[in-house]
Amino acid sequence: AQKITQTQPGMFVQEKEAVTLDCTYDTSDPSYGLFWYKQPSSGEMIFLIYQGSYDQQNATEGRYSLNFQKARKSANLVISASQLGDSAMYFCAMRSADRGSTLGRLYFGRGTQLTVWP
Amino acid sequence: DGGITQSPKYLFRKEGQNVTLSCEQNLNHDAMYWYRQDPGQGLRLIYYSQIVNDFQKGDIAEGYSVSREKKESFPLTVTSAQKNPTAFYLCASSPLGQLNTGELFFGEGSRLTVL
Repeated sequence: AQKITQTQPGMFVQEKEAVTLDCTYDTSDPSYGLFWYKQPSSGEMIFLIYQGSYDQQNATEGRYSLNFQKARKSANLVISASQLGDSAMYFCAMRSADRGSTLGRLYFGRGTQLTVWP
Repeated sequence: DGGITQSPKYLFRKEGQNVTLSCEQNLNHDAMYWYRQDPGQGLRLIYYSQIVNDFQKGDIAEGYSVSREKKESFPLTVTSAQKNPTAFYLCASSPLGQLNTGELFFGEGSRLTVL
């Protein structure tokens, strides 16, 4: 069963505007972690932000924030004040310890291609 | 600088040949991973290792093999048994332990094309 779902294959946003990238997840493990990675056209994976399942507050890192709604099992990424350099593929991922998976094994969604236009 | 080095960055192979992708890390991480990325598929786990001389199959291990003789190194061999090996391969590492989030640190990837 798919553990991470990203329903937006592509998103477009104008420079300086905010954009939300959707992510829903599925796990029965009470302890899990949620990640967002950015992948520019060069292919490297850049870690953006992390949210633990027991964290009371939404995670923030500069212009990135994670809108964590535990009951809805969603972990949307919000990018404020978009920049041209934000154009990239964005992946949501989850670390889950169920089914004997090791700490650190991540399950990835299929990604959302974000394009920022001037 | 600490990081993960993958080589080669680009690799071409004829059908029926085995190829080995190199992954070296100097982050002193215990765990290492190999992911495969295809367009529209996200990242899929091939193999992972938590300790030297031990490794486990991921979701798509068929046609691949790995070794973990040193903590720093986790090479991936794409064998001729892999039916569709053309893809982008990413190596990653992470520290283990309760205090760690499980974040993965990635190399820059290797793009394999079968001719």
